[in-house]
Amino acid sequence: AQKVTQAQTEISVVEKEDVTLDCVYETRDTTYYLFWYKQPPSGELVFLIRRNSFDEQNEISGRYSWNFQKSTSSFNFTITASQVVDSAVYFCALTPETGANNLFFGTGTRLTVIP
Amino acid sequence: DTEVTQTPKHLVMGMTNKKSLKCEQHMGHRAMYWYKQKAKKPPELMFVYSYEKLSINESVPSRFSPECPNSSLLNLHLHALQPEDSALYLCASSQLTPTRETQYFGPGTRLLVL
Repeated sequence: AQKVTQAQTEISVVEKEDVTLDCVYETRDTTYYLFWYKQPPSGELVFLIRRNSFDEQNEISGRYSWNFQKSTSSFNFTITASQVVDSAVYFCALTPETGANNLFFGTGTRLTVIP
Repeated sequence: DTEVTQTPKHLVMGMTNKKSLKCEQHMGHRAMYWYKQKAKKPPELMFVYSYEKLSINESVPSRFSPECPNSSLLNLHLHALQPEDSALYLCASSQLTPTRETQYFGPGTRLLVL
């Protein structure tokens, strides 16, 4: 069974603060793929990152960074110097190697950046 | 270009109406998906098409009828819907390779059933 847990339902930060969104996953597959998507109020799910289970390198893209730790089954997302445009719901998701290409989503974290 | 388009953006329909949602992608992806998302919930998978053939139907009621006329188009035909079917309907597409490719989503259709 696959499960993704985003324990933080809502987070509010003041602009320019750093914020970390937590994601913990469960899977019995040895090969799997992890994703982060951003959903602004407009509704579209915007792809942010895809990470393979066999690649534990952390990644940085501008103000965004991701920390993948297989030992703790976590794939956390940090936004540095947050901006109002970062306000959105962020979903962590997992796809196992076996079976159909289903995305198992966490329940999402609503981030509000206050100007 | 990672664009998936969906029309219409908004749709209001009565329970006796028949309507269709349309999704289009020109990325050469051979897998297309329909998701339903209720407010404050994550998207839930409804259907998956692989090479224009229905490969997954997640026990969706028959009042939702998907159709994939070609590799770029995906439709969702709606008939005799219930008010609880009001939701955001998202389309996505991905490449089909031995590894799990990224799904790219469209902007969605916000459906209200009266």
